[in-house]
Amino acid sequence: EAQVTQNPRYLITVTGKKLTVTCSQNMNHEYMSWYRQDPGLGLRQIYYSMNVEVTDKGDVPEGYKVSRKEKRNFPLILESPSPNQTSLYFCASSLTGGTSTDTQYFGPGTRLTVL
Amino acid sequence: QQQVKQSPQSLIVQKGGISIINCAYENTAFDYFPWYQQFPGKGPALLIAIRPDVSEKKEGRFTISFNKSAKQFSLHIMDSQPGDSATYFCAASIDQAGTALIFGKGTTLSVSS
Repeated sequence: EAQVTQNPRYLITVTGKKLTVTCSQNMNHEYMSWYRQDPGLGLRQIYYSMNVEVTDKGDVPEGYKVSRKEKRNFPLILESPSPNQTSLYFCASSLTGGTSTDTQYFGPGTRLTVL
Repeated sequence: QQQVKQSPQSLIVQKGGISIINCAYENTAFDYFPWYQQFPGKGPALLIAIRPDVSEKKEGRFTISFNKSAKQFSLHIMDSQPGDSATYFCAASIDQAGTALIFGKGTTLSVSS
């Protein structure tokens, strides 16, 4: 089954404790992206990757890191989480990005709470 | 800078009624406009999409209307059903590889039975 998986689905942590949210896709997609969803703000892109070892900042990259060492995996790293990073996070993948011949597939989401 | 403005923020519609969600964009380079549907506890999923070379696209009960001169597009859900209750996001992008989707803030639709 074609899918994007994220782990963990729920996470409560404390300020400053490094964490990683994993994302994996089994569709051989080149484009992967991380979004955060906040009430009243919609989906905002954090980082994206066009291919292995190619990453770039989205609209809200501050406080986040990513890596793309393998095509299927795109982990999101919070080196020193802060309460304003409490949010619902989605990983997405697609063949090429936001094109009309493509579809972005979203993972199920990770709800992060930083105390 | 919000490049895609979506309204209303929330919408309540009676079963069988028409749900209308509107979006406006600023960047005239945008040429791909998808709508995503998100059910509680799930990630968004592509619902329907349009390019500006057509003014309307219909798929079942869902229709996108597009007005290029006004830089606006809208989603119409005909004969709305309780199962349509979800959050809807409009989005826009430049139709080329590597570009990001810019999402609106979302509309929470509740269809009452």
